[in-house]
Amino acid sequence: QKEVEQDPGPLSVPEGAIVSLNCTYSNSAFQYFMWYRQYSRKGPELLMYTYSSGNKEDGRFTAQVDKSSKYISLFIRDSQPSDSATYLCAMSELGYSGAGSYQLTFGKGTKLSVIP
Amino acid sequence: GAGVSQSPSNKVTEKGKDVELRCDPISGHTALYWYRQSLGQGLEFLIYFQGNSAPDKSGLPSDRFSAERTGGSVSTLTIQRTQQEDSAVYLCASSLVSGGGETQYFGPGTRLLVL
Repeated sequence: QKEVEQDPGPLSVPEGAIVSLNCTYSNSAFQYFMWYRQYSRKGPELLMYTYSSGNKEDGRFTAQVDKSSKYISLFIRDSQPSDSATYLCAMSELGYSGAGSYQLTFGKGTKLSVIP
Repeated sequence: GAGVSQSPSNKVTEKGKDVELRCDPISGHTALYWYRQSLGQGLEFLIYFQGNSAPDKSGLPSDRFSAERTGGSVSTLTIQRTQQEDSAVYLCASSLVSGGGETQYFGPGTRLLVL
């Protein structure tokens, strides 16, 4: 079992729909949770960032973390064709271990298409 | 510069050749990461540099892979004796280390194809 599991999709929704993207993880040491958006042939760009459990809202995007279930979600309201991209969840552990780093562990990404 | 830049954007090479990939991080960012993105594998951590500290090489898949960071800025990832399984997008990211969970900013990547 990989540390981070993410359904690769593809996911196709009509414009205006609510999109739900999810990741599960097994490493209880993860404390920082992120969602990146990656357009075709581009590098990932940070979309949402949360620390520990709870919800965070930014415009049409809401990130949710449930550490007890080791489950994170990204919700996109009123989805637009411009939201069509691959969405990657990413996580990192708290603190610097000395031998380790703030490396991110990524899910494989979910490819989303929003149809006009 | 405004963001992380990488060169070349695309590289085609023959099996057995050496390749060098370059990353220019955001000015002032002290941390630099290399990741590899393969079809079906997602993004995998390769190596991390932070200031003058010894790099974290725990993600390098074999001793054919090495990286340097000169002057705390530009980094070069070198792959020796390339193999077809090395074909992937190699992504560089940089960040300000602020004590944990800092935002990593990614470059556009170098697409490597080994024939």
